Amino acid sequence: IAGITQAPTSQILAAGRRMTLRCTQDMRHNAMYWYRQDLGLGLRLIHYSNTAGTTGKGEVPDGYSVSRANTDDFPLTLASAVPSQTSVYFCASSDSDFNEQFFGPGTRLTVL
Amino acid sequence: GQNIDQPTEMTATEGAIVQINCTYQTSGFNGLFWYQQHAGEAPTFLSYNVLDGLEEKGRFSSFLSRSKGYSYLLLKELQMKDSASYLCAVRDGSYIPTFGRGTSLIVHP
Repeated sequence: IAGITQAPTSQILAAGRRMTLRCTQDMRHNAMYWYRQDLGLGLRLIHYSNTAGTTGKGEVPDGYSVSRANTDDFPLTLASAVPSQTSVYFCASSDSDFNEQFFGPGTRLTVL
Repeated sequence: GQNIDQPTEMTATEGAIVQINCTYQTSGFNGLFWYQQHAGEAPTFLSYNVLDGLEEKGRFSSFLSRSKGYSYLLLKELQMKDSASYLCAVRDGSYIPTFGRGTSLIVHP
């Protein structure tokens, strides 16, 4: 693995189903983030984690949950998907010693 | 909370110079970032400003005025490949960055 990866690349999901979006980084970054990007609204923060074992809520956390069991992985779970969660989801990471965020390639999720 | 404003769309000619502005209001300030995002791709880091002044990096420069809550990204010698969205992000007292809605730049021949 080089950098930050996300899976799946895209997914079509029926409303009411549970879905976990996966994110893994191999840069040993402390902080990780989940954003959703919708046309005209830009990137909005869903949840973040400053270090393994801790998580925090962002701007739009409702309907989403995260866990940070170790440094590398930061999965995002939709417990019961709704059509308004149709979006492109980006995972990102950053090191406390550096400033920039590194973004994964994104997951395009469609909820029908 | 934070309020970040940037123009929705700009157009420019290949070879020209374009300035993309970003204004912000935030409680606490710990840096301003610019990212580039091509259609269908992930954002990539361009620049970071935490002190007032101009940071130059090749064809791209970024300026910050903390007292005015203002930044701009200057792109020189525009190329067709510079057609992309440019995202301004501000890090507040919590060190969590918040993104503006982005500026779509269209470069035409």
